[in-house]
Amino acid sequence: GAGVSQSPSNKVTEKGKDVELRCDPISGHTALYWYRQSLGQGLEFLIYFQGNSAPDKSGLPSDRFSAERTGGSVSTLTIQRTQQEDSAVYLCASSLALEGDTQYFGPGTRLTVL
Amino acid sequence: GQNIDQPTEMTATEGAIVQINCTYQTSGFNGLFWYQQHAGEAPTFLSYNVLDGLEEKGRFSSFLSRSKGYSYLLLKELQMKDSASYLCAAGRGKLIFGQGTELSVKP
Repeated sequence: GAGVSQSPSNKVTEKGKDVELRCDPISGHTALYWYRQSLGQGLEFLIYFQGNSAPDKSGLPSDRFSAERTGGSVSTLTIQRTQQEDSAVYLCASSLALEGDTQYFGPGTRLTVL
Repeated sequence: GQNIDQPTEMTATEGAIVQINCTYQTSGFNGLFWYQQHAGEAPTFLSYNVLDGLEEKGRFSSFLSRSKGYSYLLLKELQMKDSASYLCAAGRGKLIFGQGTELSVKP
């Protein structure tokens, strides 16, 4: 596609439920990143994937968060047993390679945990 | 530690010039990015500095001093549509973002 796409655009869930957020990076981009942005806060790094290397999971806030990238393209961020503090906009970005390359962001998924 | 600091908000007048400053402390520095983010939208790329000096791109310019851990974004001939949050980010691969500077352009 022309840009990074994410789905769903909005997700409302009940506390304790699991959610899956999807990201389709720009075709040909080998690096994929997940960030989240809480209300009034800056972007917070969660995880990134680069080619076939092991992902950098250093930003994941707890073991309830996990992510996969299948076939070097589409990625899914899973949050288990959601909590109200997980409410945020989850942004995905991709870049051609890793270091120094511009990251292009998708429109985000707004997650609301009731 | 890693830290990015920028002012929380700024106000400027249409047609004027505004400078948004950013100071940073990061490990594995590989360049300084500026992004623009309108309310409810995704961040869009504005500029990237890896070497010291000024990079000019139309009405927007960005400056970097690696020895001082300092950057600024300069916006000229301000337009109402420039009202947005401006994000400073640095890092190696994964980016560390500042809180963003909310710029309001007044008529």
